[in-house]
Amino acid sequence: NAGVTQTPKFRVLKTGQSMTLLCAQDMNHEYMYWYRQDPGMGLRLIHYSVGEGTTAKGEVPDGYNVSRLKKQNFLLGLESAAPSQTSVYFCASSYSRTAGGASNQPQHFGDGTRLSIL
Amino acid sequence: KNQVEQSPQSLIILEGKNCTLQCNYTVSPFSNLRWYKQDTGRGPVSLTIMTFSENTKSNGRYTATLDADTKQSSLHITASQLSDSASYICVVSPWMDSSYKLIFGSGTRLLVRP
Repeated sequence: NAGVTQTPKFRVLKTGQSMTLLCAQDMNHEYMYWYRQDPGMGLRLIHYSVGEGTTAKGEVPDGYNVSRLKKQNFLLGLESAAPSQTSVYFCASSYSRTAGGASNQPQHFGDGTRLSIL
Repeated sequence: KNQVEQSPQSLIILEGKNCTLQCNYTVSPFSNLRWYKQDTGRGPVSLTIMTFSENTKSNGRYTATLDADTKQSSLHITASQLSDSASYICVVSPWMDSSYKLIFGSGTRLLVRP
């Protein structure tokens, strides 16, 4: 049982280049999330998805796009990379919310993609 | 503004000793409070989740407490082991937040020395 798998693990880009980060989960979770983690700061939500074919903006969506064509996959795209996007990117997934309120289910995280933009 | 503040930023203890990490939050109302452990180079792993009505929850040598009146939580680690060296992150889930946004603290980095 792999859980949440992120590829690639490391990447170095030049400013202006594009790339796609892939997240795959094998737990049949409805919800998936993309976060970035920067030194001295808490994780910040970039985009999220509550089901196949649906996506929504999080706290810091600018410069990123996402797609959820299949339930098990959630892709994060950088169209024109900037040095400010140098970060560690984490994907997470979880079961859907319990009826009537916020979910008490844990989010399961991948091991991250370390991205440097030169 | 919803915030989660953790203290200390870093902590060094000797193997076998106990320690307590603190989390103060301003998120109100909230649904649950979570503690995650993040090993270096890995993703966070859930340790405990407490709803607003719970006071304490344990997971092995980890015990989390919650005081909703003072908006404080603590994570107590008993008989520390070298493998406890990691960052510990406090996370609060706002009540009925339609944006699914969790509020993450910046973490406490714990180093356990032999």
